[in-house]
Amino acid sequence: SAVISQKPSRDICQRGTSLTIQCQVDSQVTMMFWYRQQPGQSLTLIATANQGSEATYESGFVIDKFPISRPNLTFSTLTVSNMSPEDSSIYLCSVEEGSGRIVETQYFGPGTRLLVL
Amino acid sequence: GESVGLHLPTLSVQEGDNSIINCAYSNSASDYFIWYKQESGKGPQFIIDIRSNMDKRQGQRVTVLLNKTVKHLSLQIAATQPGDSAVYFCAEMADKLIFGTGTRLQVFP
Repeated sequence: SAVISQKPSRDICQRGTSLTIQCQVDSQVTMMFWYRQQPGQSLTLIATANQGSEATYESGFVIDKFPISRPNLTFSTLTVSNMSPEDSSIYLCSVEEGSGRIVETQYFGPGTRLLVL
Repeated sequence: GESVGLHLPTLSVQEGDNSIINCAYSNSASDYFIWYKQESGKGPQFIIDIRSNMDKRQGQRVTVLLNKTVKHLSLQIAATQPGDSAVYFCAEMADKLIFGTGTRLQVFP
């Protein structure tokens, strides 16, 4: 499976500021996803990022709050804007990879642990 | 420490015993299912998957069972080891991947 890295691995930020999280994949992938995992909770999809088009956001998430870039097939960024303590979560990058299979599996990066004070 | 799984249901098993983790999924149109393992401080790790045209799939020490009639998925871990301690998530795929609430597995020596 693809090797996925994220930067930063963790950060502590002040409310009102913004943080950009980077996701790098060691192979070219069409579909990249961003998830949020709040403390003690499961994973929730924020948006799907495809290269060459605008990200598709899930209900409850908007571009102004979570702008996403996808400049090429191996890289994406997620920005958490105007942060509040409620944004404290783990943010996870995921890619879809099938290696020729009919159904493609999603693999996850290590996550970025964000604490907003 | 890591806050993942603090408020999740917990399954406690003794080392060497078999573990069964259950999951109810919501969408009858889901046609692909994945089990993930998430250790403290890490992202979810793919364990095993199953398509809707199957009812059982085996991996190394793990078996996934799918009952589409009652929309139920289970993960069986044989001879559970301390390294299996983690939070386990099922996920269903229809038009997107939807995660279940997760179960924390604790393995005691």
